[in-house]
Amino acid sequence: AQSVAQPEDQVNVAEGNPLTVKCTYSVSGNPYLFWYVQYPNRGLQFLLKYITGDNLVKGSYGFEAEFNKSQTSFHLKKPSALVSDSALYFCAVRDTDTGTASKLTFGTGTRLQVTL
Amino acid sequence: DTAVSQTPKYLVTQMGNDKSIKCEQNLGHDTMYWYKQDSKKFLKIMFSYNNKELIINETVPNRFSPKSPDKAHLNLHINSLELGDSAVYFCASSQPLGGVDTQYFGPGTRLTVL
Repeated sequence: AQSVAQPEDQVNVAEGNPLTVKCTYSVSGNPYLFWYVQYPNRGLQFLLKYITGDNLVKGSYGFEAEFNKSQTSFHLKKPSALVSDSALYFCAVRDTDTGTASKLTFGTGTRLQVTL
Repeated sequence: DTAVSQTPKYLVTQMGNDKSIKCEQNLGHDTMYWYKQDSKKFLKIMFSYNNKELIINETVPNRFSPKSPDKAHLNLHINSLELGDSAVYFCASSQPLGGVDTQYFGPGTRLTVL
């Protein structure tokens, strides 16, 4: 069964500094990986996904993620953090069966706190 | 022009009651999902329907019964509510096109069982 791990419960960064939110995965086939963000009292918003191809995936709000097959990682990054980026970030992996419904397995979430 | 909407946003009820949560999507997607987020923010899939047909049914008590009247709607009915059912329930939808689809989530329904 597939799984993802987010080793940090919380990441603190100063506004303007680069940020990284870590994610490692475990799958039996090709990895299909996602990042979602949850703002307080809101639903999950899709940021980006990796299917195949370029290891650097660009997404919404200036976020990008780097896929590293040898380290089985898919870390989320942003060159310059904003206070408004403060939220809960989830990494997820999709099952490899591309049938009529996809099963996402989520990590435990990482709270990003950006301060002035 | 909300893509995935849920009603109600908040639901407070007594143990033993029966309640329903409604979900609608206007994205034209064929597949819809229900997820549960517990108090520790852990998200887990419960059900998935494709064109009104049940596709995914995780290990969920049979007190939970999804119903899809058409492909744009997926409702969740919960019988005999228990304290442990308190959580945020998220609906999502996606369009499987033979590739890797992206799921889009609703705003969530916070259920509190007293």
